[in-house]
Amino acid sequence: QVQLVQSGAEVKKPGSSVKVSCKASGGTFSRSAISWVRQAPGQGLEWMGGIIPIFRAPNYPQKFQGRVTITADESTRTVYLDLSSLTSEDTAVYYCAAYFAPSGYYPKTLRRIDHWGQGTLVTVSS
Amino acid sequence: DIVMTQTPLSLSVTPGQPASISCKSSQSLLHSDGKTYLYWYLQKPGQSPQLLIYEVSNRFSGVPDRFSGSGSGTDFTLKISRVEADDVGVYYCMQSTQLRGLTFGPGTKVDIK
Repeated sequence: QVQLVQSGAEVKKPGSSVKVSCKASGGTFSRSAISWVRQAPGQGLEWMGGIIPIFRAPNYPQKFQGRVTITADESTRTVYLDLSSLTSEDTAVYYCAAYFAPSGYYPKTLRRIDHWGQGTLVTVSS
Repeated sequence: DIVMTQTPLSLSVTPGQPASISCKSSQSLLHSDGKTYLYWYLQKPGQSPQLLIYEVSNRFSGVPDRFSGSGSGTDFTLKISRVEADDVGVYYCMQSTQLRGLTFGPGTKVDIK
């Protein structure tokens, strides 16, 4: 059973940074592709980027280039989202979301999202 | 970025009756590899989204067969053959044909009459 367990809620000041973690279990980490998706209060879903741990190179949409850093630690099966220069518009629930390829296969892209973490609320307030 | 739209944005359904949600993309979602990367998710109240359908019409593991997906190009549909109380929530379509910008539809809120 795949599980993605995220770190707890955060309250941050405008201009600061936040780092959220996502620990994967129940699937082979080396065959995973992991994305971050956020949801502002009462709003829809927004993809922030992702990483395929065996390739290590992250992929970010234009909107978040330069402000988001996604990294993976294979030794602890954990992926991190680092978001800098926070404003009140970054107040949201942040989800990690993953695809684990079947045995013998490796994901080549971040296209597919099967499993979601429980979400981490990040509140940005002065 | 590819823009996804959904209709209706809200749907109230009698249990046992069918329901249908439309999702349209601003560009064709047919990739050069021959696949169409269109997904459907359900976010139940207070929960994380869960995958229902992948690549237009494939039900994910454990998803009841009353859920079905269809479509091609820019027009896609999610159908629920007989709505149950457990189906309430917000349904999102998502495209990942354009890798630099995975995008979601605005969501369709489904509740029970």
